[in-house]
Amino acid sequence: SQTIHQWPATLVQPVGSPLSLECTVEGTSNPNLYWYRQAAGRGLQLLFYSVGIGQISSEVPQNLSASRPQDRQFILSSKKLLLSDSGFYLCAWTIGSSYNEQFFGPGTRLTVL
Amino acid sequence: GQQLNQSPQSMFIQEGEDVSMNCTSSSIFNTWLWYKQDPGEGPVLLIALYKAGELTSNGRLTAQFGITRKDSFLNISASIPSDVGIYFCAGLYSGAGSYQLTFGKGTKLSVIP
Repeated sequence: SQTIHQWPATLVQPVGSPLSLECTVEGTSNPNLYWYRQAAGRGLQLLFYSVGIGQISSEVPQNLSASRPQDRQFILSSKKLLLSDSGFYLCAWTIGSSYNEQFFGPGTRLTVL
Repeated sequence: GQQLNQSPQSMFIQEGEDVSMNCTSSSIFNTWLWYKQDPGEGPVLLIALYKAGELTSNGRLTAQFGITRKDSFLNISASIPSDVGIYFCAGLYSGAGSYQLTFGKGTKLSVIP
């Protein structure tokens, strides 16, 4: 069966510090991968998605970036965090264009102080 | 871009009551998904709908894909305290290689024992 992992689970970072959040998927090959951000009590905002290694599509211009160095690894990064980057970051995967269900990881709670 | 209107935004019900929530869109979709999110966790897929008019059940949950392909509803029968959470609808139009779900803003459900 497939599983998706995210770490760290929680993170407190000062403004201006760098960020690296990691997402890995097990039990599947060549998944589509997604990064979402969820502000408190709000809906899901798609940040990036990837259909393959090295292929990244950005949905919202901002100081975040994403990379996919391996088939089942998706990384969200920032060189300098802003207060507004605080939120709940969710990674999701789907098998591909044949299946539309997205399955979410447990999330990372980021607080920027 | 496509937008989903999800209602109600929140609801308080007595344990044992039935619940109904819905999503509408100005655009057509060919996939509707319903998720539930518990506090501090990632959304969990409840039901996936792929055909207009389709009615699908998952235990006490029933969801329907509207005939016009522009709406969907989710019903929960005989609510229990563990139904508490935020319910999200999501739609996808799988055209031109689109891989992006459009999410509603969520319905926050509170169940009074």
